[in-house]
Amino acid sequence: GNSVTQMEGPVTLSEEAFLTINCTYTATGYPSLFWYVQYPGEGLQLLLKATKADDKGSNKGFEATYRKETTSFHLEKGSVQVSDSAVYFCALRGSGYSTLTFGKGTMLLVSP
Amino acid sequence: DAGITQSPRHKVTETGTPVTLRCHQTENHRYMYWYRQDPGHGLRLIHYSYGVKDTDKGEVSDGYSVSRSKTEDFLLTLESATSSQTSVYFCAISERGEDTQYFGPGTRLTVL
Repeated sequence: GNSVTQMEGPVTLSEEAFLTINCTYTATGYPSLFWYVQYPGEGLQLLLKATKADDKGSNKGFEATYRKETTSFHLEKGSVQVSDSAVYFCALRGSGYSTLTFGKGTMLLVSP
Repeated sequence: DAGITQSPRHKVTETGTPVTLRCHQTENHRYMYWYRQDPGHGLRLIHYSYGVKDTDKGEVSDGYSVSRSKTEDFLLTLESATSSQTSVYFCAISERGEDTQYFGPGTRLTVL
């Protein structure tokens, strides 16, 4: 079946540091890949997505590239801010499916 | 923001009592989903609906039932709540199965 593995947190960074959160997946066919963000006390918001190999999703300074050869979709940001502190979820939707499979989430804590 | 509301937002109940959570949308989206979020597990799909009266099970459906009698409402029922069902429950919607899912604000349920 489909699965998503994310690096465990928390990830603790200082403001303006470079961020990488690793995400790898297992799926047959050509899944779509997503990053969602959850701010404290809120629901999940879509951060970015990619629907085919080599696509790069980007939003709010965050980027992730769909790498089929390494089955990865790592999230990166060049300079994090305190306001980026949240939990980040990697997810996939299998080809032909309508449901999402989520990773366990990675908490990011950014200090001034 | 997608028009999704969940009610109640917080509920404390006792073991063995029935509980119904409601998800209401104003987007006229066809698909609706119920997830639960637990530490160390990320989000896991409970049930989903692909149209009025059309539902299917997810990964963790035991102990839960759902109903969808109109497009805008998707109800999640715990027939006899157990402490293991203490969790945060999120509803999500999407226009089609292959579209992005948008999440509601969540319901925090505590079963004593």
